[in-house]
Amino acid sequence: KAGVTQTPRYLIKTRGQQVTLSCSPISGHRSVSWYQQTPGQGLQFLFEYFSETQRNKGNFPGRFSGRQFSNSRSEMNVSTLELGDSALYLCASSLGGTPPNYGYTFGSGTRLTVV
Amino acid sequence: ILNVEQSPQSLHVQEGDSTNFTCSFPSSNFYALHWYRWETAKSPEALFVMTLNGDEKKKGRISATLNTKEGYSYLYIKGSQPEDSATYLCASREHNNNDMRFGAGTRLTVKP
Repeated sequence: KAGVTQTPRYLIKTRGQQVTLSCSPISGHRSVSWYQQTPGQGLQFLFEYFSETQRNKGNFPGRFSGRQFSNSRSEMNVSTLELGDSALYLCASSLGGTPPNYGYTFGSGTRLTVV
Repeated sequence: ILNVEQSPQSLHVQEGDSTNFTCSFPSSNFYALHWYRWETAKSPEALFVMTLNGDEKKKGRISATLNTKEGYSYLYIKGSQPEDSATYLCASREHNNNDMRFGAGTRLTVKP
């Protein structure tokens, strides 16, 4: 069974540019969550999608957005990049459902560097 | 959801030592507590999910307990080995909340 696939693995962008990250969940998983990790910080929750709908959103500015497609693949977009957006972005998939008592399976992450 | 806190931030032990660390979480509206192990250059891997007060889970030399009334969980590693070196993350879920909120992790280094 294929794991959670995130692409690209590494990315270097310039301030002011935008970036799109992709996450393909495990087959059959309908929930995809996105997290940001910066040095010294824990995983900061960005948003969670289930069946193409954003169910929950963390405390990030509107420059951070996402979407989910009918095949459960999800994309995350960051517009007008800032230096502080440099981080590891992890996506996690789960079966989802309500109540959500399933653990996550994480992807390997995308390391974004903004210069 | 309020903060999930983990302590200590880092820990260095000798091979063979037993160790434990703490995760504290908001006890109101609690639904589930998850532990993950994150090795460098790999993805976080699920260790345990606990939902009931007094739950205890065990996997090999690693075990965890849960106190939902006071809002804490302990992770224990018996006879630490160098391969146990990793960051251990805990995450809490609330009722009717579809995301998991993570602590900053405890970075464990086991010296041979």
